[in-house]
Order: sequence, then structure tokens, then C-alpha cells
Amino acid sequence: KAGVTQTPRYLIKTRGQQVTLSCSPISGHRSVSWYQQTPGQGLQFLFEYFSETQRNKGNFPGRFSGRQFSNSRSEMNVSTLELGDSALYLCASSLGGRGDTQYFGPGTRLTVL
Amino acid sequence: GDSVTQMEGPVTLSEEAFLTINCTYTATGYPSLFWYVQYPGEGLQLLLKATKADDKGSNKGFEATYRKETTSFHLEKGSVQVSDSAVYFCASPPYGGSQGNLIFGKGTKLSVKP
Repeated sequence: KAGVTQTPRYLIKTRGQQVTLSCSPISGHRSVSWYQQTPGQGLQFLFEYFSETQRNKGNFPGRFSGRQFSNSRSEMNVSTLELGDSALYLCASSLGGRGDTQYFGPGTRLTVL
Repeated sequence: GDSVTQMEGPVTLSEEAFLTINCTYTATGYPSLFWYVQYPGEGLQLLLKATKADDKGSNKGFEATYRKETTSFHLEKGSVQVSDSAVYFCASPPYGGSQGNLIFGKGTKLSVKP
């Protein structure tokens, strides 16, 4: 079974631009979660989508948004990029129930100049 | 609020040494507990998990026991290898949250020297 895939793997943007990242979950998984990983803050939860609905949301500004499609693929968007948005963005998929394991993709490395 | 605290590294060991990475959590109730590992340039991989108190998770020679008395889930391995060099994260969902939301510790970087 194919794992979680994320595209693109690397991105370079400039301040003020917007960016869209994509995540394809493991087949059959209905939950997709997004995390931001930085050296200073570590791993922080952004949001989770389950069956096309946002089920949980972390403490990030409204510039960070996401969506999920009927095939469970998910996208996250960051508008008006800031230097501090430079990070590794990880997505994880699971069946969506309590106790279910989250499987992570390789991440998208975003650099904001 | 809920939190996960793990010892910060880096930790440097010689091959075949014993490894312990401490992890404690503060949460209401008894959440599932996880250890993930991140190799350089990769995403996170589940190493092991425990879903209830006194459970022991194990995988690839690593073990961790869910101890509710001390709210701990320490990671251990009896004999580390160079290939175990990676960053290890302890994680737990917050109380009342779904499994889609995990709180992670800061991570512990392990370097194993031959």
C-alpha cells in the first residue's frame, strides 16, 4: 500500500506571496492532519480534516487554511507569507478514530525569502 | 493545559550502549501515548505506541511502558546501533481531542558512534 505523499517536496517563496501544499493520504484513510515543524517551536498542530470537514484546529492565524476533497486528498494554503513561515510542513493520515495511528508523509520544506 | 515533556538532547552513545529517553505527560484522563522517530531528511515514522495504562509498546528492540502512576512513557533500548541515529519524539493527543491532533515533545536527537 502506498504511503502518504506530499508535493512539492521543496518550495522557495518570497514574503507576501501565497503557497499551496498538497497531501495524498494512504488509501482508505479519511483523516488528514497538518503540522508545522521548526527548530524553535518543534512540531505544532495546524488542523485536521475528516470527511471533508475541519474537525480540529490549532493555534495558528487565519492566513493558514486548508481543505479536503472527496477522495480525502488535502491541501493547505498559506497567504501573505512571512519569514517566520519557513518550516517543514508535515501531513499525516489515519483512519480517524481514537487510538488510530497517524502515518506521516516526507514533508514539504518551505523557505520564505 | 495538556503537554508532553521529554529530555532534550543531544544524546551521544557508543554502539551497543543502553538507551533511555525520558517522556512525561500531563493530561486529563489516560490518553494513548506514542513514540515517533525522524531520520534525517524524512518525515516521522511511528516507532511504538500504548493505548492504555500498563501497556508496553515495542518495536525494533525499542520498548516503552505506559505508567500512569508517574505519568511517564520512557523509551528504552538495550543495545543501540549506528542506524538508530535519529530524532525521537514522544506524543499524545490532548484530552477530548481526536487522534488527528497530537501534542509532541521537543524531540531528542540521538547520535550513535561506532
